[in-house]
Amino acid sequence: DVKVTQSSRYLVKRTGEKVFLECVQDMDHENMFWYRQDPGLGLRLIYFSYDVKMKEKGDIPEGYSVSREKKERFSLILESASTNQTSMYLCASSTPGTVAYEQYFGPGTRLTVT
Amino acid sequence: QKEVEQNSGPLSVPEGAIASLNCTYSDRGSQSFFWYRQYSGKSPELIMFIYSNGDKEDGRFTAQLNKASQYVSLLIRDSQPSDSATYLCAVLNTGTASKLTFGTGTRLQVTL
Repeated sequence: DVKVTQSSRYLVKRTGEKVFLECVQDMDHENMFWYRQDPGLGLRLIYFSYDVKMKEKGDIPEGYSVSREKKERFSLILESASTNQTSMYLCASSTPGTVAYEQYFGPGTRLTVT
Repeated sequence: QKEVEQNSGPLSVPEGAIASLNCTYSDRGSQSFFWYRQYSGKSPELIMFIYSNGDKEDGRFTAQLNKASQYVSLLIRDSQPSDSATYLCAVLNTGTASKLTFGTGTRLQVTL
């Protein structure tokens, strides 16, 4: 079974703090993704990575950065957390796209910024 | 902006009925289409994908694709209370290096 794990299920941080969200996958997948999910807005892509040290901006990269030093690990960094970054953060991984393409999701991290 | 649109619901159907979930997309070059199910407080899981026009059946689930109308649907036959969840439609777009665009999801409630 594919397993994608995230470092925390719940996290509470203060405004201005630097926040690290970690994601690890055990299936040797090339692609990894970070999404945030908000009511009424659905899943929105923040950043993705298609190889070690490679990254591309998604639809809403502002206020975030990422790091992928090893194939299995993809980190999302909030440089200076703000209240509008309170959200559910989901990590996903996949092999490169085919018609039968599937992304596997981690359990999510619910981040609250106060 | 490539868009995927779904009615947010809730869609309420009685147990044993057919639930019909719909999705439209804007990118004519889209290649593959996916339905994910997300239970409350859980992460999405893939239930079906389709890439050819027509119907694809898997147990109680049938995905339908009409590329000319840019429309994809999911039918759930003999709906069960355990089918109550949010269903996310996702589209694999052309030239996007394996990125999916997700709709906002339709919440399905199966009533006893």
